[in-house]
Amino acid sequence: EDKVVQSPLSLVVHEGDTVTLNCSYEVTNFRSLLWYKQEKKAPTFLFMLTSSGIEKKSGRLSSILDKKELFSILNITATQTGDSAVYLCAVPYSGGSNYKLTFGKGTLLTVNP
Amino acid sequence: EAGVAQSPRYKIIEKRQSVAFWCNPISGHATLYWYQQILGQGPKLLIQFQNNGVVDDSQLPKDRFSAERLKGVDSTLKIQPAKLEDSAVYLCASSLDPRLARELFFGEGSRLTVL
Repeated sequence: EDKVVQSPLSLVVHEGDTVTLNCSYEVTNFRSLLWYKQEKKAPTFLFMLTSSGIEKKSGRLSSILDKKELFSILNITATQTGDSAVYLCAVPYSGGSNYKLTFGKGTLLTVNP
Repeated sequence: EAGVAQSPRYKIIEKRQSVAFWCNPISGHATLYWYQQILGQGPKLLIQFQNNGVVDDSQLPKDRFSAERLKGVDSTLKIQPAKLEDSAVYLCASSLDPRLARELFFGEGSRLTVL
């Protein structure tokens, strides 16, 4: 069975700190890994990392995929209170016409002023 | 462009009662998903539709949960009878093409509390 494991499960930091969130995966036929941010509502898409994309950057957020060691990290620099959210890692599973996302449990990030 | 619509946003019921959630996906999206997200966990897929057909319902507790998408557009998810452990947020998501993982759009969810 495919597995997606995130760590830490929760993290409390102060504004301005840099944080690193981890996601390890064990999936057959790996194609991509996705990061989502979930505030008190629907998850919103952040990054997709594929076989050909190792590092993505968007402002203060960046993500790296290590296909050899089967993990990804999400970095947030100069954190702000608005970064407080649950960060979800997900890996698509594909079997025939069945295509779905398997999510990790998420990392709850709290950024204090 | 209108997003994925869900209702109700919140529902509180007592155990053994029934509840139904409704989802209207983004127009033209053939694939619709229902996820269950228990507090402190990531979303877990309950059922996946492709148009009005079920593609995957392997994790749907069929003794109490049912879902339908009769006309290939709106969908309803029903729980009858509810148990305490069904307390969760039920997320509906849709996509134009299930192979495009980044093109999965979520609704804001329906939060169920079972007392």
